[in-house]
Amino acid sequence: DTGVSQNPRHKITKRGQNVTFRCDPISEHNRLYWYRQTLGQGPEFLTYFQNEAQLEKSRLLSDRFSAERPKGSFSTLEIQRTEQGDSAMYLCASSFAGYNEQFFGPGTRLTVL
Amino acid sequence: ELKVEQNPLFLSMQEGKNYTIYCNYSTTSDRLYWYRQDPGKSLESLFVLLSNGAVKQEGRLMASLDTKARLSTLHITAAVHDLSATYFCAVEGPLDNDMRFGAGTRLTVKP
Repeated sequence: DTGVSQNPRHKITKRGQNVTFRCDPISEHNRLYWYRQTLGQGPEFLTYFQNEAQLEKSRLLSDRFSAERPKGSFSTLEIQRTEQGDSAMYLCASSFAGYNEQFFGPGTRLTVL
Repeated sequence: ELKVEQNPLFLSMQEGKNYTIYCNYSTTSDRLYWYRQDPGKSLESLFVLLSNGAVKQEGRLMASLDTKARLSTLHITAAVHDLSATYFCAVEGPLDNDMRFGAGTRLTVKP
């Protein structure tokens, strides 16, 4: 499968715990995006990378959230000290720079108890 | 701030009928995207509209873009049950990374 992959697909955690998600983009794509989607809403932009550089961060991305893309390939999104309000689907997408059709992964559904 | 509004948010239609979903956006944008999402699944790209007057068709779905009116439409022709899903439009803002999604239109096609 050459599409965007995300792991894990589901994560249940207790409030206050840290969680980390991984995204593997389509290999030729140099841009990688993270979104959050809550029930009944469209995806909300969190952050994006061009190669290994993190170029934009949304106001939604509090200091408990950090994202990395160390070698310009896969990316990780870490949430520290999770809160119940962090429960959502976290989507990763990738694209070529300059042509912004984004291809989405299956998402990681986070439930914070 | 770029805002994207879709209507209707919920649409229930009979098989064989036609209907149009509307997507309005608040600031100038050259690119508009339509995505489909099935329950519990990720988003599937349907159409990329890159210029004023662009029209694209795939099967029973046709999308158009009017950048002067800041309006895109997704027209459904002779709906079938398999089209039941949530449809999102998304617009690029002034920075090409700033993609804003509408709230989605949840379509149910009934036999």
